[in-house]
Amino acid sequence: ETGVTQSPTHLIKTRGQQVTLRCSSQSGHNTVSWYQQALGQGPQFIFQYYREEENGRGNFPPRFSGLQFPNYSSELNVNALELDDSALYLCASSLAGGRAGGELFFGEGSRLTVL
Amino acid sequence: DQQVKQNSPSLSVQEGRISILNCDYTNSMFDYFLWYKKYPAEGPTFLISISSIKDKNEDGRFTVFLNKSAKHLSLHIVPSQPGDSAVYFCAASEWTGNQFYFGTGTSLTVIP
Repeated sequence: ETGVTQSPTHLIKTRGQQVTLRCSSQSGHNTVSWYQQALGQGPQFIFQYYREEENGRGNFPPRFSGLQFPNYSSELNVNALELDDSALYLCASSLAGGRAGGELFFGEGSRLTVL
Repeated sequence: DQQVKQNSPSLSVQEGRISILNCDYTNSMFDYFLWYKKYPAEGPTFLISISSIKDKNEDGRFTVFLNKSAKHLSLHIVPSQPGDSAVYFCAASEWTGNQFYFGTGTSLTVIP
């Protein structure tokens, strides 16, 4: 059973650029959530995908968007990058079927630095 | 507005003693709670959970206590080991919700 894998692990972008982060969910998990963890903070919910549809969004602007594919893998896209977007982006998969009521399995994260 | 709060940024404990990590929440609709441990350069790892129908859940050295009236939960680690040194996050959700709300974490150092 493979765990949650994310790529890339580290990347550096400049303001205004766009970035795509990728996540492969744990085998059999049908729900993927993305979280942003800024330095010294706890993870903040960006959105969740279930059955290839967005199933809830946190307090993030529309320039944060995502996709889920039929194999349950997922992408997070961020357009028009800002300095405050510098953070660790965590992908988490679960068997919750769109609900939060189940443990999340996290990947190691993608560390984004915006200069 | 931070709905889940961990007011102690750091905690140091001697090896073999008890570690107690605390967490408070404000939303009375939360009914499912998790604790995660995070090492540097790794993603958070699930430790233990508790639902609001219980006030205690144990798993080996780890015990979580829930006081719904006080909107408070705590994680007890007994005995503490140097490998327990990490950042601990508590998280809360509504059972029918789709997101977890995390605290800001407590950095635990277990001194050999």
